[in-house]
Amino acid sequence: GAGVSQSPSNKVTEKGKDVELRCDPISGHTALYWYRQSLGQGLEFLIYFQGNSAPDKSGLPSDRFSAERTGGSVSTLTIQRTQQEDSAVYLCASSSYRGSNNEQFFGPGTRLTVL
Amino acid sequence: DQQVKQNSPSLSVQEGRISILNCDYTNSMFDYFLWYKKYPAEGPTFLISISSIKDKNEDGRFTVFLNKSAKHLSLHIVPSQPGDSAVYFCAATENSGGSNYKLTFGKGTLLTVNP
Repeated sequence: GAGVSQSPSNKVTEKGKDVELRCDPISGHTALYWYRQSLGQGLEFLIYFQGNSAPDKSGLPSDRFSAERTGGSVSTLTIQRTQQEDSAVYLCASSSYRGSNNEQFFGPGTRLTVL
Repeated sequence: DQQVKQNSPSLSVQEGRISILNCDYTNSMFDYFLWYKKYPAEGPTFLISISSIKDKNEDGRFTVFLNKSAKHLSLHIVPSQPGDSAVYFCAATENSGGSNYKLTFGKGTLLTVNP
């Protein structure tokens, strides 16, 4: 079946511009996560959506970052006034249940480069 | 502060031999641990996990060992195959807490299995 998809796969932007990154989770998955991986670093948790509950935004690094999940499915991560330190691979994941296995299925990521 | 540490950025082994990937953690609240495998240009994929109530979990060629007193876990791959060449991420979470969805990742270890 279809996995998690993300678009675009690559995005190059100029400092100060806004960018939108899209994630399509696996159909039926109620939980959706955004992570980012900066060069030489591990995956850093950004935000978590679960059903209709209020999202956990505790990982967002600044107020320039925001995310939405419309209709409980597709999610958009928006970065306003991008900075060079925002350059990273942004990964989206989804899972069917917040249970003991906690297996999250990842998309291929969006590589963001801020010039 | 890095709560999950993978101190070896890379590891090279011969095909057929054992690969041992190590991971240390500092947060004593972590009680569930996962290993993810990542190929270039793809998202991480779940490999194996272990709960803190166990000290070993085995799945085919992959075995994870947990030493709670040392806050150390390791992933053993026996026998190693060239297709195992990838980056391996260790991740941890507080499964019994309210935020068990929040995975904390290490920086990863690049495993190269030579034919």
